[in-house]
Amino acid sequence: SQELEQSPQSLIVQEGKNLTINCTSSKTLYGLYWYKQKYGEGLIFLMMLQKGGEEKSHEKITAKLDEKKQQSSLHITASQPSHAGIYLCGADISSDYKLSFGAGTTVTVRA
Amino acid sequence: EADIYQTPRYLVIGTGKKITLECSQTMGHDKMYWYQQDPGMELHLIHYSYGVNSTEKGDLSSESTVSRIRTEHFPLTLESARPSHTSQYLCASSEYRGRGNSPLHFGNGTRLTVT
Repeated sequence: SQELEQSPQSLIVQEGKNLTINCTSSKTLYGLYWYKQKYGEGLIFLMMLQKGGEEKSHEKITAKLDEKKQQSSLHITASQPSHAGIYLCGADISSDYKLSFGAGTTVTVRA
Repeated sequence: EADIYQTPRYLVIGTGKKITLECSQTMGHDKMYWYQQDPGMELHLIHYSYGVNSTEKGDLSSESTVSRIRTEHFPLTLESARPSHTSQYLCASSEYRGRGNSPLHFGNGTRLTVT
């Protein structure tokens, strides 16, 4: 089973609307990273969350970490076509310091 | 912007050929990784290295091999390509700054097609 579960698997949002993606870990989180990927390309690092309750924002993207729930959420406000892509969460949850990744959430923004 | 480069960007090759996918980073990172990703699917770690002369197999069994002779260079080699090797290969690096404080930086990937 997946150690990092992302939901939803995909979503379609009207331009200008908000959206939220969740990432839940089955193990203790030692840090949570959010990435964006354009189809067929590499992953672009968005932001990193280290402490419970931490919240970071970059432009219209905000990420929060709930350490107790072992969960993080990524929220996009007033979505634009440039926000389309695949969003992946990665986390340091294993004992050997390797990152685990979620399966990704595909975001489509309709004009 | 992370400075990690992968070549070639795309490669189409016949079955049985030997290929090497190149990965270089200019950030001086000790840790480097190779992931395999099929379209729309999750990332699978196939090899990683904690530094020069260190290489380890990842979670996904792979017929490829890697080497780490220089800090900045982490090539992946397939001795005999097969159609089942068709996939996207992503290289990444990181500087270890403690648990939860070491994001990976990725290259743009190599899309390999074996015919």
